[in-house]
Amino acid sequence: SQKIEQNSEALNIQEGKTATLTCNYTNYSPAYLQWYRQDPGRGPVFLLLIRENEKEKRKERLKVTFDTTLKQSLFHITASQPADSATYLCAPYNQGGKLIFGQGTELSVKP
Amino acid sequence: DAGVIQSPRHEVTEMGQEVTLRCKPISGHDYLFWYRQTMMRGLELLIYFNNNVPIDDSGMPEDRFSAKMPNASFSTLKIQPSEPRDSAVYFCASSFSGSYNEQFFGPGTRLTVL
Repeated sequence: SQKIEQNSEALNIQEGKTATLTCNYTNYSPAYLQWYRQDPGRGPVFLLLIRENEKEKRKERLKVTFDTTLKQSLFHITASQPADSATYLCAPYNQGGKLIFGQGTELSVKP
Repeated sequence: DAGVIQSPRHEVTEMGQEVTLRCKPISGHDYLFWYRQTMMRGLELLIYFNNNVPIDDSGMPEDRFSAKMPNASFSTLKIQPSEPRDSAVYFCASSFSGSYNEQFFGPGTRLTVL
């Protein structure tokens, strides 16, 4: 069955450092992959979409990579700030026409 | 635009009661999604519509769950009868021109079934 794995443990980093979050998927080949941010008590908010023919996508301090051979996406936040503290969800798009969300990785940025 | 609107924001009910959750998508969006989020299972897609037509309801847990979209600006998710294991946060999301496009989520309805 299709499976998505994100860092299960919370990631704690110091302000100003780069945060790197991992998303691994198995048993399918998504044409697109999205990343969302979720704050406590709120709905997920879209951050970035990357296509299978794109190796890397950037938006301000955010960078996403998509390695279809390794079946992995990495999500980077450079110059992290306490306001970046949230849960980040990876969502590959499967051939059935649906986004399948990972469990998410909780990021905590300390001042 | 006000974004995706959901009501109620919180619902507490007793086992066996009927629960109806409501969603108003962003105007102009042609896809609507219903998700359920729990600590154990994460964010799961229940059903999605395209142009008011249900496309995939394979995530609906059982016959107790039903969803309708009578027009482009309104959808309901109904649970009848409700059970304690239905307790979760239910999100509605909408997107434009493709289920692979970015989805805009509502604030969610926190359902507690006693």
